[in-house]
Amino acid sequence: QVQLQESGPGLVKPSGTLSLTCAVSGGSIGSTNWWSWVRQSPGKGLEWIGEIFHSGSTTYNPSLKSRVTISVDKSMQQFSLSLNSVTAADTAVYYCARGGDSGAYGVFEIWGQGTRVIVSS
Amino acid sequence: DIQMTQSPSSLSASVGDRVTITCQASQDINIFLNWYQQKPGQAPKLLIKDASSLEAGVPSRFSGSASGTDFTFTISSLQPEDIATYYCQQYDNVPITFGQGTRLEIK
Repeated sequence: QVQLQESGPGLVKPSGTLSLTCAVSGGSIGSTNWWSWVRQSPGKGLEWIGEIFHSGSTTYNPSLKSRVTISVDKSMQQFSLSLNSVTAADTAVYYCARGGDSGAYGVFEIWGQGTRVIVSS
Repeated sequence: DIQMTQSPSSLSASVGDRVTITCQASQDINIFLNWYQQKPGQAPKLLIKDASSLEAGVPSRFSGSASGTDFTFTISSLQPEDIATYYCQQYDNVPITFGQGTRLEIK
């Protein structure tokens, strides 16, 4: 059974870079699934950040595209999120999630437990 | 972006009641609409995909339907363990977007 686990700093300074990693276990990150990042804040609810395929192909939310990079490391069975120039508005719980395969990329069948990130000096 | 208008934002019902939540898309999304349940401190859990397809292991009291750009999520007989916030989500277009959620409470 596939499991996802987020990790990374819980506190990031304003204007800094938020970096998180999602470890995939119980299955292959090289499967036909897409891998996404979703965040949740009280002010904006659930917000999809972007996704990656094991080939490295990515799709980003246009509202964040200028600040986001999602990458994959197949050898480590993990994918990562980098969000730069953060502000307090980026404070949220960040989830990684597994989407379905090509036609169902947006069906988030499996989620990590989430990691809370606070942007503050 | 496709806007997902979910209603009501909160709902109080009794055990055994039939509960209905609606979600309206701002444009045609075919059937690419999912429903999630989120309990406090937990990640969302997929209940229904593609408007009406129940995920394996999800109780049959949960169901979904679609009519044009209007989507309905129903709990046929509310149970105490159903207390949660429910979200709709479309994936017809990028960016993937979610409704604002419906907080369900027991009366």
